[in-house]
Amino acid sequence: KNQVEQSPQSLIILEGKNCTLQCNYTVSPFSNLRWYKQDTGRGPVSLTIMTFSENTKSNGRYTATLDADTKQSSLHITASQLSDSASYICVVSFNNNDMRFGAGTRLTVKP
Amino acid sequence: DAGITQSPRHKVTETGTPVTLRCHQTENHRYMYWYRQDPGHGLRLIHYSYGVKDTDKGEVSDGYSVSRSKTEDFLLTLESATSSQTSVYFCAISESAGGAGYTFGSGTRLTVV
Repeated sequence: KNQVEQSPQSLIILEGKNCTLQCNYTVSPFSNLRWYKQDTGRGPVSLTIMTFSENTKSNGRYTATLDADTKQSSLHITASQLSDSASYICVVSFNNNDMRFGAGTRLTVKP
Repeated sequence: DAGITQSPRHKVTETGTPVTLRCHQTENHRYMYWYRQDPGHGLRLIHYSYGVKDTDKGEVSDGYSVSRSKTEDFLLTLESATSSQTSVYFCAISESAGGAGYTFGSGTRLTVV
C-alpha cells in the first residue's frame, strides 16, 4: 500500500535551535518527493522538490535530503525562527500523477 | 495565495443540505484538484480535473461530485452533506500532471451540523 509516515507528530524547540523532521514512505514507483510548509489557516506552500537522482535540496534555512534506497527523507531547519512555527508535510508522487501526503509534523518555535 | 481563490472561506450547513464550494484560478493551469484535510490524516484527493469537462475520481470521492465548465473554475458539490464531511477543503492547481508548480488555495472550512 502506498503510504507516507512522518515523525514526530509534533515538536517544540527554542528559537535559534536546529531541528530535523523525518518522512518514511512505501510509495512505488517513486517519481518525486516534496516538502510543504503549512501555516495555520492557510494552504500548503512548497519548500523543496527532489527527484530520484537528487539526494539533497536546499531552500534558505531549509535542507531536504532523500535516500531512495531506504525510502527516507528528512527536512532540516537551521537557526529556527518564530515564523517557522507551522505544519510540515511530506508528499510523495508516484505513477506520474498520483500523490500521497503525510499527516504532517506540527512544529512550534518558542522564544 | 496568488492566482487561486476559494469561496466561501467558512461555511456551516445542516445535514442533508446540498453545498457547493468554488475554486477560481487566474493562472490558466490545465489541472485542478480538490482535497480534504482532517486531523491525523494527510490531504486526501477527492476529485481532479485535467481539462474543461474532464474530471476523474480520487481516493475519497464518495458523496462528492465536481464540475468544470470553464478553465478557471472548478466546483465541488456535496449533494447531501453529512457530518463526516466536516473538514477543511483545499483546491490546488498545476500546469502538468504531478508537476512541480503545484499551488494550493487557502482552504474552505466546512462544518456540517
